[in-house]
Amino acid sequence: QQPVQSPQAVILREGEDAVINCSSSKALYSVHWYRQKHGEAPVFLMILLKGGEQKGHEKISASFNEKKQQSSLYLTASQLSYSGTYFCGTEIGGNTPLVFGKGTRLSVIA
Amino acid sequence: GAVVSQHPSWVICKSGTSVKIECRSLDFQATTMFWYRQFPKQSLMLMATSNEGSKATYEQGVEKDKFLINHASLTLSTLTVTSAHPEDSSFYICSARDSLPRLKETQYFGPGTRLLVL
Repeated sequence: QQPVQSPQAVILREGEDAVINCSSSKALYSVHWYRQKHGEAPVFLMILLKGGEQKGHEKISASFNEKKQQSSLYLTASQLSYSGTYFCGTEIGGNTPLVFGKGTRLSVIA
Repeated sequence: GAVVSQHPSWVICKSGTSVKIECRSLDFQATTMFWYRQFPKQSLMLMATSNEGSKATYEQGVEKDKFLINHASLTLSTLTVTSAHPEDSSFYICSARDSLPRLKETQYFGPGTRLLVL
């Protein structure tokens, strides 16, 4: 079942923050976050496996709620290089394929 | 990080011909590889799961006789688009999962193959 991502698109000025959400109607095994630039393959950002987990670094981090049904990606003090489409990919069990959300198109402008 | 390569990166072919795309894990072994297809401005849609030494598992709506998958070794999976038609034109991306238990959750994507069928 495809996870729901929101928002569909967001425009930021450099230095602004953004939050991208990914939710599922069922508890998940894991959530993976990727960024894809136009014409390129997705690039792995991070994976979350545990309920209540938060990981990442100061500028780009993510959380996974206790029920393991929702994850959020936090982009802080955005840079031009953050522009791209962000996808969350979810697994319902270990070693199962990722099912991707429809993506969130992020545009950072000067 | 782990590296996955795809070949070719671009292919243009005539309608009715077959095209083979290779996906290789360069510095790790992958018992499982996945094939995705992405149309412009859309998400990645899983086509099939490729398991080394066994038959691929296809997603609903994906024709197994049209999209032939062979996972002959722990580092190579191939996707053959048989009798390609213009509607098969897309961006095909493979991903591989490291066989090592501590890394198996992470999927690494190849750079993708753009197929244009004329």
